[in-house]
Amino acid sequence: GAVVSQHPSRVICKSGTSVKIECRSLDFQATTMFWYRQFPKQSLMLMATSNEGSKATYEQGVEKDKFLINHASLTLSTLTVTSAHPEDSSFYICSATRTSGWQETQYFGPGTRLLVL
Amino acid sequence: AQSVAQPEDQVNVAEGNPLTVKCTYSVSGNPYLFWYVQYPNRGLQFLLKYITGDNLVKGSYGFEAEFNKSQTSFHLKKPSALVSDSALYFCAVRDMRGSSNTGKLIFGQGTTLQVKP
Repeated sequence: GAVVSQHPSRVICKSGTSVKIECRSLDFQATTMFWYRQFPKQSLMLMATSNEGSKATYEQGVEKDKFLINHASLTLSTLTVTSAHPEDSSFYICSATRTSGWQETQYFGPGTRLLVL
Repeated sequence: AQSVAQPEDQVNVAEGNPLTVKCTYSVSGNPYLFWYVQYPNRGLQFLLKYITGDNLVKGSYGFEAEFNKSQTSFHLKKPSALVSDSALYFCAVRDMRGSSNTGKLIFGQGTTLQVKP
């Protein structure tokens, strides 16, 4: 099956610092990746759609200047949480879309747990 | 409006018994439906999907789902539950809104499956 990795798996940082999370599709190319945020025992909230070679598309209410997304290649998208605050503490999950013919399936990374002190 | 509903927050089943996790959807046009499973502190794992064809879809780990157009449902099933099936299950439908085909998913709120020995 398709494999998507995230790094780091867990990060603790001080308030005011920036944190970068990487999402990689290991065995397929993905023109589209997605970034989600998940609070405990809740569903996934889509933050943005990351498009290779172009600007990300942010969902309503998500600050694009705070959550910087860069889709530098067909296998890598990065999410940078700038000037992190305790309320940014959450579980961040990425997914990558694998296309086979006319069918698309999203495969998810293992998630990154961010704790801002 | 496009939406996915999982009416049960939690489903409890004894090991060896059949299990059903319910999902209903509301979409315009033909739905693309997915089931994902999430273990604690992990990302989502793809179980199965319905795009077209047979209404009964078979997926990973012995799971299957039945697409019912008249009832707008896509319930997840397994003939004999295992304790290791205990996890959080998400139903999702592809978001077909908008002119760009981004492949975004709309998730249900999730159902916790608890299988007891």
